[in-house]
Amino acid sequence: QKEVEQDPGPLSVPEGAIVSLNCTYSNSAFQYFMWYRQYSRKGPELLMYTYSSGNKEDGRFTAQVDKSSKYISLFIRDSQPSDSATYLCAMSGETSGSRLTFGEGTQLTVNP
Amino acid sequence: SAVISQKPSRDICQRGTSLTIQCQVDSQVTMMFWYRQQPGQSLTLIATANQGSEATYESGFVIDKFPISRPNLTFSTLTVSNMSPEDSSIYLCSVGRDSNQPQHFGDGTRLSIL
Repeated sequence: QKEVEQDPGPLSVPEGAIVSLNCTYSNSAFQYFMWYRQYSRKGPELLMYTYSSGNKEDGRFTAQVDKSSKYISLFIRDSQPSDSATYLCAMSGETSGSRLTFGEGTQLTVNP
Repeated sequence: SAVISQKPSRDICQRGTSLTIQCQVDSQVTMMFWYRQQPGQSLTLIATANQGSEATYESGFVIDKFPISRPNLTFSTLTVSNMSPEDSSIYLCSVGRDSNQPQHFGDGTRLSIL
């Protein structure tokens, strides 16, 4: 069983839709949770970074962490065609700068 | 965040040869890592590049196949040795300003082995 599970999609939504992306994990030692966005032929770009349980909002993006359920989510409001990319969840244990364990990534397409 | 440059951006190599990938950061960072992203898959950590000492390798990765150097706080190299088609992948460098900061990635090196 993988430590981090993420539905690879693909996910296709119309412009303006609310997008929900999710990951589950099995390792209770994970404390730091990140979402990266990866455009084709580019490296992953850090979108959101949270510690432990709770919500964090940044513009159209909201990250949620539920450690009791070992479940994290990324919500994108008012989705735009420029949001079309692969979204990767990642987690680490002792510190946020320690080794990352990634989900498989969800490929998102936002259609104009 | 730091600007991370990787060279080369892509290469096509012959079986049995070796390639060294460079990662240059525009500011000093404590943490540097090397990841592999195989076609259609997610990222897997190869090793942590330690400044002034041997790299720390993850299970399944060995120094003879992936030697790493980290001579200072802004530069690291990863060599992929004795390449085979199974080594065709994207190799990514990531950095963290310190152990309490999240990692940022370069754009990767796209490697194809014929």
